[in-house]
Amino acid sequence: DVKVTQSSRYLVKRTGEKVFLECVQDMDHENMFWYRQDPGLGLRLIYFSYDVKMKEKGDIPEGYSVSREKKERFSLILESASTNQTSMYLCASSPRLAEGTDTQYFGPGTRLTVL
Amino acid sequence: AQSVTQLDSQVPVFEEAPVELRCNYSSSVSVYLFWYVQYPNQGLQLLLKYLSGSTLVKGINGFEAEFNKSQTSFHLRKPSVHISDTAEYFCAVSEIPTGNTPLVFGKGTRLSVIA
Repeated sequence: DVKVTQSSRYLVKRTGEKVFLECVQDMDHENMFWYRQDPGLGLRLIYFSYDVKMKEKGDIPEGYSVSREKKERFSLILESASTNQTSMYLCASSPRLAEGTDTQYFGPGTRLTVL
Repeated sequence: AQSVTQLDSQVPVFEEAPVELRCNYSSSVSVYLFWYVQYPNQGLQLLLKYLSGSTLVKGINGFEAEFNKSQTSFHLRKPSVHISDTAEYFCAVSEIPTGNTPLVFGKGTRLSVIA
């Protein structure tokens, strides 16, 4: 079974703090993704990575950065947290295909509250 | 670029009644299609997927979906729902020639099963 784990289920931070969200997958997947989920807006892609040290911006990268130093680990960084970054953050991974994209496997999510 | 429209944001249904959750996509090329389910306070998990072959796809928990290329639809159905099916359901698409890009998700449909 594919397992994607996220470092925290719930996190409370103060405005201006630097926040690290960690994600680890155990299936040797090449691709990893960070989304945020807000009511009525569905899932919005923040960043993704196809390989170690590679990253691509998604639809809403502003205010975020990422790091992928090892294949199994993909970190999301909020450089200076703001209240509008209060959200559910979901990490996912998938194997690389020659064509198309196959199943993305999701972690349980981190509910971040910024006060 | 592809897009996904889930026509209903909320669907209330009585227990043991049938349900259909609608999904339409927009793409000029061949696609892979997915349905995910998210139970309260959890990450997303795969319900079923269409990659090729039979257009009627069966998934977990008694759900099935039919790929209709001419209608560009991938509606999800269950003949008799259970209270435990209460969750949010997401349709997603991947364009095959584009290869190895993140899935594009719809905004979700919240299914509420009423006893």
